[in-house]
Amino acid sequence: AQSVAQPEDQVNVAEGNPLTVKCTYSVSGNPYLFWYVQYPNRGLQFLLKYITGDNLVKGSYGFEAEFNKSQTSFHLKKPSALVSDSALYFCAVSVAGNTPLVFGKGTRLSVIA
Amino acid sequence: GAVVSQHPSWVICKSGTSVKIECRSLDFQATTMFWYRQFPKQSLMLMATSNEGSKATYEQGVEKDKFLINHASLTLSTLTVTSAHPEDSSFYICSAPHGMNYGYTFGSGTRLTVV
Repeated sequence: AQSVAQPEDQVNVAEGNPLTVKCTYSVSGNPYLFWYVQYPNRGLQFLLKYITGDNLVKGSYGFEAEFNKSQTSFHLKKPSALVSDSALYFCAVSVAGNTPLVFGKGTRLSVIA
Repeated sequence: GAVVSQHPSWVICKSGTSVKIECRSLDFQATTMFWYRQFPKQSLMLMATSNEGSKATYEQGVEKDKFLINHASLTLSTLTVTSAHPEDSSFYICSAPHGMNYGYTFGSGTRLTVV
């Protein structure tokens, strides 16, 4: 069975600084990896995904993530954080396009002005 | 493209009553719908998988008689919380995979409060 670990419950970063939200995964087979962001009482907004190809994936709102197969990681990054990036971030994995996503516990990002 | 509309956004109901949550795929055919539940400040937990025209598959520990899932058409899946109790209060989200580059589309979620 697949699983996702987000080791940090909370990440605090100053506005303008780079941010990283960590994610590691465990699957049997090739992973399909996703990052989503959630604002209070809202659904999930898609940021980016890795299916195959280049390990560095660029997504919405300036976010990017790097797939590292040897470390089974898919950390989310952004070069310069904005206060509006403050939200709850979820990493998720599946093993095929029609199987349910398995989510990490989420990481709350707080960007301080 | 690939939009899932979820209604209602929030609902308050009395203990013992039933509540129906609808998820409609607006511009694609959702043969599969995943239903998740999210407790405050926690992750999304898969409750069940519904497939159009067949019975839903429930995750271990989810009461299928309490959480009735119907997927009557390729554009509509519903979750009915029967005989609701305060412990059923939660945020419920549906999600459908779509064929565009292995994507998943999520509904906007339903905040259920049982009083």
